[in-house]
Amino acid sequence: GIQVEQSPPDLILQEGANSTLRCNFSDSVNNLQWFHQNPWGQLINLFYIPSGTKQNGRLSATTVATERYSLLYISSSQTTDSGVYFCAVEFHGSGNTGKLIFGQGTTLQVKP
Amino acid sequence: DVKVTQSSRYLVKRTGEKVFLECVQDMDHENMFWYRQDPGLGLRLIYFSYDVKMKEKGDIPEGYSVSREKKERFSLILESASTNQTSMYLCASRGLQETQYFGPGTRLLVL
Repeated sequence: GIQVEQSPPDLILQEGANSTLRCNFSDSVNNLQWFHQNPWGQLINLFYIPSGTKQNGRLSATTVATERYSLLYISSSQTTDSGVYFCAVEFHGSGNTGKLIFGQGTTLQVKP
Repeated sequence: DVKVTQSSRYLVKRTGEKVFLECVQDMDHENMFWYRQDPGLGLRLIYFSYDVKMKEKGDIPEGYSVSREKKERFSLILESASTNQTSMYLCASRGLQETQYFGPGTRLLVL
């Protein structure tokens, strides 16, 4: 079946460290997004990245659609980066409805 | 900036009550969505709408209904709330070929 798998499930970093989060998906995609869920539950858009590479400050993301994976890079991590990171995918078969399938998330804790 | 607002951040209801959760977006988006988020189960799609008065079931529609009378507003209705509907409810909207934007969420407790 259609699957979105994220790794690692949990990650603990010291402030200033770099990290890479991975998202594997099982089929061709129209859309892939990365979100950060803050401690209050708000899902914040990080990247809309069905293919290619994008950068925004200390964060960057790369999606290799042909190999069905996406990576989120966090450099020089800060305590405010803590939270849950979700990858969400809209598969080709969804008929452009915008229906997203979410991975289970990576819980990141950045220690001061 | 896109803004998606939800009517309540926290809500406490009794079993059997009818519950309305409202979501409003200000970007003239066609598509709107309701998800629920539960520990260990992640985010799951309840219903979505791609136009006024149009709706489609998501993955877990049982026990819920929706209403979209105006483009900017998408309501989730729990006809008779049950304790297993205690959850975090998240609304989202999206234009065509665009990023999906989420509201702040409503934490619902059903006693």
